[in-house]
Amino acid sequence: QVQLQQSGAELAKPGSSVKISCKASGYTFTSYYISWIKQTTGQGLEYIGYINTGSGGANYNEKFKGKATLTVDKSSSTAFMQLSSLTPDDSAVYYCARVGLGDWFRYWGQGTLVTVSS
Amino acid sequence: DTVLTQSPALAVSPGERVSISCRASEGVNSYVHWYQQKPGQQPKLLIYKASNLPSGVPARFSGSGSGTDFTLTFDPVEAGDTATYFCQQSWNDPPTFGGGTKLELK
Repeated sequence: QVQLQQSGAELAKPGSSVKISCKASGYTFTSYYISWIKQTTGQGLEYIGYINTGSGGANYNEKFKGKATLTVDKSSSTAFMQLSSLTPDDSAVYYCARVGLGDWFRYWGQGTLVTVSS
Repeated sequence: DTVLTQSPALAVSPGERVSISCRASEGVNSYVHWYQQKPGQQPKLLIYKASNLPSGVPARFSGSGSGTDFTLTFDPVEAGDTATYFCQQSWNDPPTFGGGTKLELK
């Protein structure tokens, strides 16, 4: 069965960076893009971008350019998202999701809580 | 960005036929998808492309609409449907989500 397993919660200081992982299993990793989505109580769900797991090319929501960097390691079927120059506004649950044919999200990771606090 | 507007909350009784709406600020063809999210869990896809059920989703869920107005219907609603329901559009870039409708069962 398709599974996306994300790395654990992160506590980070303002100005630092974190890197979250999303390990895929149960399907051919390079056949589907992986997207990343941010969820906060105040802003709801926000689309960050996607990575082409075959080529490694990434596409970003303008809002997250410069904030998020998406990468992939095909050898381990793992996608990564690095968040840089963290501020308290980056505190959220971050999800990875497999991108369906029409850009819907059938499979989601369990979420990674990132807390930015001094 | 395309704004998706949902009613914030709804309280219903088990057994009722219930509809939740999602209105887009601009046309999104039929590229609206619906998700169910229970507390502490990741969202779950219920409907894709306005009216299609993924395998494993009960047939008492249905979706309709095109253009700017979309509806998710429960027929009937069950106690286990207590959750927040989000719509998402993927016709315009970037994909966007509605603010969610919190469904409470009385």
